[in-house]
Amino acid sequence: DSGVTQTPKHLITATGQRVTLRCSPRSGDLSVYWYQQSLDQGLQFLIQYYNGEERAKGNILERFSAQQFPDLHSELNLSSLELGDSALYFCASSVGLGDTEAFFGQGTRLTVV
Amino acid sequence: DQQVKQNSPSLSVQEGRISILNCDYTNSMFDYFLWYKKYPAEGPTFLISISSIKDKNEDGRFTVFLNKSAKHLSLHIVPSQPGDSAVYFCAARTGNQFYFGTGTSLTVIP
Repeated sequence: DSGVTQTPKHLITATGQRVTLRCSPRSGDLSVYWYQQSLDQGLQFLIQYYNGEERAKGNILERFSAQQFPDLHSELNLSSLELGDSALYFCASSVGLGDTEAFFGQGTRLTVV
Repeated sequence: DQQVKQNSPSLSVQEGRISILNCDYTNSMFDYFLWYKKYPAEGPTFLISISSIKDKNEDGRFTVFLNKSAKHLSLHIVPSQPGDSAVYFCAARTGNQFYFGTGTSLTVIP
């Protein structure tokens, strides 16, 4: 158990809908990272928050947004969903910025039908 | 734009032998390289890392080698054990961003 909790574990939704994925980092970790893993793809970095502020942005679509709340949990919002958004979405946390070791949650498997 | 590449999707090795997983990268600004291991239905787990100023880092049965001139790193597992069967991701860091490869699925045959 990494200490990072992601909910829900599975999500099935229709195209055009909006969903919210939730991540609770390890106790004491200030950084939260979001990654997307599509079929046969590596982990694609989406966005990083540190202590409530956005610190790095990767290949995140404009239809996607994220935030980190004062209690340090984070949410990833995906809107106007398309079939191609079906993927595993991982959250990871670390103590600081750019730590070389991050702890990953089990992921949320999103299926868009 | 895949800055970190793992060209071998899968690898099978006999128990007790050496497993060598390879990774190539294109960005010379990467300052840290990492390997993560992932079992099915679980998130990736950090395994070992190496700074760009070193060429080798060892942790028990796991050794990572970095060849900066070739922009290549490898993970050696000696001896390989059935419990090592998993998907291995290579990752590289620049600034606060991490770039991951597509993974190599290792199967250790008893």
